[in-house]
Amino acid sequence: DADVTQTPRNRITKTGKRIMLECSQTKGHDRMYWYRQDPGLGLQLIYYSFDVKDINKGEISDGYSVSRQAQAKFSLSLESAIPNQTALYFCATSDAGPERDTQYFGPGTRLTVL
Amino acid sequence: KNQVEQSPQSLIILEGKNCTLQCNYTVSPFSNLRWYKQDTGRGPVSLTIMTFSENTKSNGRYTATLDADTKQSSLHITASQLSDSASYICVVGASGGYNKLIFGAGTRLAVHP
Repeated sequence: DADVTQTPRNRITKTGKRIMLECSQTKGHDRMYWYRQDPGLGLQLIYYSFDVKDINKGEISDGYSVSRQAQAKFSLSLESAIPNQTALYFCATSDAGPERDTQYFGPGTRLTVL
Repeated sequence: KNQVEQSPQSLIILEGKNCTLQCNYTVSPFSNLRWYKQDTGRGPVSLTIMTFSENTKSNGRYTATLDADTKQSSLHITASQLSDSASYICVVGASGGYNKLIFGAGTRLAVHP
């Protein structure tokens, strides 16, 4: 089984709809991240969390919110989706020790907003 | 502004040939540099990581080099295989705070038989 899973893998929605993307991990890592990837651009950080009670904005948090329900679960919500949020979304995890900069990525969710 | 630039954007090579991908960065303060491989439809997977004091790191047929003075890195792939077809992403870590990662846009490599 994959260490970092994301659901759904693909989603098509309409402008104005609320969407939730979910991420679960079995690596036992404290740190979790949400990124978006657009064609021709590097991954951009949306939100990150260092433990269940910690939520931090990344570079592009506007229009998004997150919830860290447990150590293993980190969900990303688009409150009112818009077409320029069409992108590939990745969840990632890392531990807090010496290897804290090694992030393990999920398979991604392809989101299309019409 | 922290930036990571990769070249070329895309590359086609024949199976068995070698290739070198380039990464230039302006990230301060520098913490580390790593290369990730991203297969189509999958998340990135770490290949190598180098800190300021390291100038080369190998992982099988992949060899990464780092010149911290010129702020350049390269990823050399030896004896390419069809399974090497993927995007290769250079990621630079900036120290401080949560050790922010700055991602390059990647080089898309296609290995043809």
